[in-house]
Amino acid sequence: NAGVTQTPKFQVLKTGQSMTLQCAQDMNHNSMYWYRQDPGMGLRLIYYSASEGTTDKGEVPNGYNVSRLNKREFSLRLESAAPSQTSVYFCASSDQGGTEAFFGQGTRLTVV
Amino acid sequence: SQQGEEDPQALSIQEGENATMNCSYKTSINNLQWYRQNSGRGLVHLILIRSNEREKHSGRLRVTLDTSKKSSSLLITASRAADTASYFCATDYNDYKLSFGAGTTVTVRA
Repeated sequence: NAGVTQTPKFQVLKTGQSMTLQCAQDMNHNSMYWYRQDPGMGLRLIYYSASEGTTDKGEVPNGYNVSRLNKREFSLRLESAAPSQTSVYFCASSDQGGTEAFFGQGTRLTVV
Repeated sequence: SQQGEEDPQALSIQEGENATMNCSYKTSINNLQWYRQNSGRGLVHLILIRSNEREKHSGRLRVTLDTSKKSSSLLITASRAADTASYFCATDYNDYKLSFGAGTTVTVRA
């Protein structure tokens, strides 16, 4: 049972490049989340999906887009990466919003 | 803005001692959760306490919730080196989105 799987684990981008972070869960959860974690800031919610086909903005959505491709997969896209988006990105899922969340191992992204 | 805020930011204790950390939040909640993060890893869920509960135990963990003060505390008893980690409180808000605080970094010295 893999839980929540994120790819890639590490990525270096040049300013202006685009990329998609992938996330998949195998627990049949309805809700999925994308967070970014910066030193001293804790985790900040980027986007949230309560169920397949729905997405909602979190605290820091600017510069990001998401797709809830199906119940298992929730991807995060950076259209034009900026150095301010250098961070560790975590995907999480839960049975329903606000309940116990399961996290992936994170993607460490550096934008130069 | 973030819902929760942990205090203290960092805590250093001797093995065998108890560790206490606090969380304050801003708006009404349905539940409050605590998570642990080991260095370089994802977060792991520790315990969930509902808004109508005042205290909950899980092994060496004890969580209290005071909704009138909008605060919670996490107590780890008889700490071990393996408890060295960052601890985060998380609250649900606004259609069940989970909001995290900045965390408390706990170091347990042998």
